[in-house]
Amino acid sequence: GAVVSQHPSWVICKSGTSVKIECRSLDFQATTMFWYRQFPKQSLMLMATSNEGSKATYEQGVEKDKFLINHASLTLSTLTVTSAHPEDSSFYICSASPPGQGSQPQHFGDGTRLSIL
Amino acid sequence: GEDVEQSLFLSVREGDSSVINCTYTDSSSTYLYWYKQEPGAGLQLLTYIFSNMDMKQDQRLTVLLNKKDKHLSLRIADTQTGDSAIYFCAEGDYTGRRALTFGSGTRLQVQP
Repeated sequence: GAVVSQHPSWVICKSGTSVKIECRSLDFQATTMFWYRQFPKQSLMLMATSNEGSKATYEQGVEKDKFLINHASLTLSTLTVTSAHPEDSSFYICSASPPGQGSQPQHFGDGTRLSIL
Repeated sequence: GEDVEQSLFLSVREGDSSVINCTYTDSSSTYLYWYKQEPGAGLQLLTYIFSNMDMKQDQRLTVLLNKKDKHLSLRIADTQTGDSAIYFCAEGDYTGRRALTFGSGTRLQVQP
């Protein structure tokens, strides 16, 4: 079945560091991918919609200059947390849906746990 | 906008059935999902149902959909301690190009 791979699974770094997270669709092409953030004991909140070959669409309250999204190919979207600070520590999850309408549900990566010291 | 609501906590004894409930507001919802999340892990897709279906059964899992009331439930038969996790209800549209809207999650605690 459709698989979405996310890397790395866990990152610990110092405040001020920029961190890149990759989201890959392994056996299908995804023109659209989604990035979510989950704080402890909370639900998933959509951060942005990543569109292949065009700019990402950010949700209200999400700083586009801080969370850079690049969707340069049909199988890869990256989220870069620039100059990360402790308040950016969270669980980041991506998802993608195989092409074709109404055929398959969205599939999620295993998530990236980001800890900023 | 879309809204999905769930109760926050459910405790059952091992061997009993668990029923987790969810309500949603978006009439255009086409897919309704149930995901399981264990501590420190990502989301595991358990099952999903099309909005033109009333029920879907998959081994120990039964999903019931009342489209008129916009009410979705997940029943887990013979609940095991390994079923202890957070269960998220989510809704999406037909295209897959809109992000899912998640409920707050229901923490299921299974007591031995």
